[in-house]
Amino acid sequence: QQQVKQSPQSLIVQKGGISIINCAYENTAFDYFPWYQQFPGKGPALLIAIRPDVSEKKEGRFTISFNKSAKQFSLHIMDSQPGDSATYFCAASSGNTGKLIFGQGTTLQVKP
Amino acid sequence: SAVISQKPSRDICQRGTSLTIQCQVDSQVTMMFWYRQQPGQSLTLIATANQGSEATYESGFVIDKFPISRPNLTFSTLTVSNMSPEDSSIYLCSGFPGQGGEQFFGPGTRLTVL
Repeated sequence: QQQVKQSPQSLIVQKGGISIINCAYENTAFDYFPWYQQFPGKGPALLIAIRPDVSEKKEGRFTISFNKSAKQFSLHIMDSQPGDSATYFCAASSGNTGKLIFGQGTTLQVKP
Repeated sequence: SAVISQKPSRDICQRGTSLTIQCQVDSQVTMMFWYRQQPGQSLTLIATANQGSEATYESGFVIDKFPISRPNLTFSTLTVSNMSPEDSSIYLCSGFPGQGGEQFFGPGTRLTVL
């Protein structure tokens, strides 16, 4: 029940295309859903996050769509760029515990 | 957001030895956490480092193997004890300022056990 399932495991997108990564969760107590971006040799960096009181959040080229009833959320990267090539992790936490449960990760490659 | 540094950035250790990893935040944070990221894998929470008291460990992690200290609101250490090759991983610390804040990560310590 604590799992967060992420797909796909890897993704190849052409420059300018849309990258879509999906996550699903079981624990209805989760109330915070961040996405992290990780480059090789670096720690994860927060990209964007959403709480269940909204269905969508957009920051620049990055959008989170959230479906509370389906217990799913997704990351959309518009106009994908080669510099977006990285590993993306969704995560979830509940309350103010700060304890993050991470998805399995998606390796994104954006081809020039 | 605040910045976290970790020392060492990487190390190669012999089986049976111990390594202490230091984590320093440039501002006070309510919570600090330690995560493990095995090669090519996701992050798994090891424990919550509690200031002034014993750490809270997640299932599968024990204090004897991963003793943790947190003497103040900006510093924590994680020791990987009696290491085996299975402990080869990246160890990451994170800081969380509390409600409404974002959790941010250090650069990680890449540990290789021979």
